Amino acid sequence: EVQLVESGGGLVQPGGSLRLSCAASGFMFNNYWMGWVRQAPGKGLEWVANIKEDGSDKYYMDSVKGRFTISRDNAKNSLYLQMSSLRAEDTAVYYCARDQWRIFDYWGQGTLVTVSS
Amino acid sequence: EIVMTQSPATLSVSPGERATLSCRASQSVRNNLAWYQKKPGQAPRLLIYSVSTRGTGIPARVSGSGSGTDFTLTISSLQSEDFAVYYCQQYNSWPLTFGQGTKVEIK
Repeated sequence: EVQLVESGGGLVQPGGSLRLSCAASGFMFNNYWMGWVRQAPGKGLEWVANIKEDGSDKYYMDSVKGRFTISRDNAKNSLYLQMSSLRAEDTAVYYCARDQWRIFDYWGQGTLVTVSS
Repeated sequence: EIVMTQSPATLSVSPGERATLSCRASQSVRNNLAWYQKKPGQAPRLLIYSVSTRGTGIPARVSGSGSGTDFTLTISSLQSEDFAVYYCQQYNSWPLTFGQGTKVEIK
């Protein structure tokens, strides 16, 4: 059974940093692209970033470029999102998702990030 | 960036009736279109990809159609578990983009 479990969310002040993690199991992690998608309170789904199987290729939405870094550790079956210079508009539930040809076929339950003073 | 526009924003449907949701892309996405279901407090669920291919475990009452820029998700004979928010997503080009969602509510 495919499982994705996010962690690392919490309350952070504007300008602060946070690192999200996603533990994957039930599939060959190193054979798949992975991604992060977020949902702000009362808003829709918004793609954030994707990373290739070996970490050699990464894509980001414009508003997080230069502030967020997606990475992975295939030996630990883990995906990460390092977030810095956080803004109020980054407040959202962040979902880790498996990328099957840019389709998100499995999702975690999400972790809430709140950016507020 | 390809903008995805869904309509209507809210659809009120009685159980057992058909729901028809629309999604329009600002430029052609060929057949690179997926649909997801989202319920409060739950992870999104993949329903449809490649316009019309159902995801794992998705019942036959859920179907997708369309091409290029105009797409439709149809749920025939709505069940209680179908009341949710539905999102379309294009994966033809970066950045990946979602529509703003259609909420299907009980009439």
